[in-house]
Amino acid sequence: DAMVIQNPRYQVTQFGKPVTLSCSQTLNHNVMYWYQQKSSQAPKLLFHYYDKDFNNEADTPDNFQSRRPNTSFCFLDIRSPGLGDAAMYLCATSTPPGGYGTDTQYFGPGTRLTVL
Amino acid sequence: AQSVSQHNHHVILSEAASLELGCNYSYGGTVNLFWYVQYPGQHLQLLLKYFSGDPLVKGIKGFEAEFIKSKFSFNLRKPSVQWSDTAEYFCAVNAASGTYKYIFGTGTRLKVLA
Repeated sequence: DAMVIQNPRYQVTQFGKPVTLSCSQTLNHNVMYWYQQKSSQAPKLLFHYYDKDFNNEADTPDNFQSRRPNTSFCFLDIRSPGLGDAAMYLCATSTPPGGYGTDTQYFGPGTRLTVL
Repeated sequence: AQSVSQHNHHVILSEAASLELGCNYSYGGTVNLFWYVQYPGQHLQLLLKYFSGDPLVKGIKGFEAEFIKSKFSFNLRKPSVQWSDTAEYFCAVNAASGTYKYIFGTGTRLKVLA
């Protein structure tokens, strides 16, 4: 089935040790998103790509970077994880036939990041 | 800044009870509105959405939501819940102004007792 896949599902890293989370999609969607969701909080948009155009949210820390080498893959790099970066990281995709903001987002299962 | 409030964080209902989950947003312009659901062990999926037309929208599994512009609300309803509706429900808003930014609420955990 077409889907959004995130690897790994669980990631443990050490304080300050760079980590990369990956997301792939078989939906051929233009837009890919990365969200951070901490316990009992709302998913918070970190950034998104429209094709290769990268859009960073103003309050996303510089510690978070992203790469999208092709339509199917998108990576989240955390350069120096702190304890406060422990969270669930959600990837989502969409394709906006109806224009901005009307599109359905398709979410992956998330990667739970633990920082020791 | 835009924000979304979901006032009910935890709701417990018996099967066949009626459900209404509140969602209020703060944004003065035109909005697109969504409800997403996350069943235990599964990922977020769309329940329903509104971006124009009839303010009463129907989604999957018997859910509906009503957009009341004057109240900045988009409450989710279901006349008779089932045990399988146990899940977490998220309201989300997009400012319909050429942006892909979505603001999510903190979610409501619904538990339906059999």
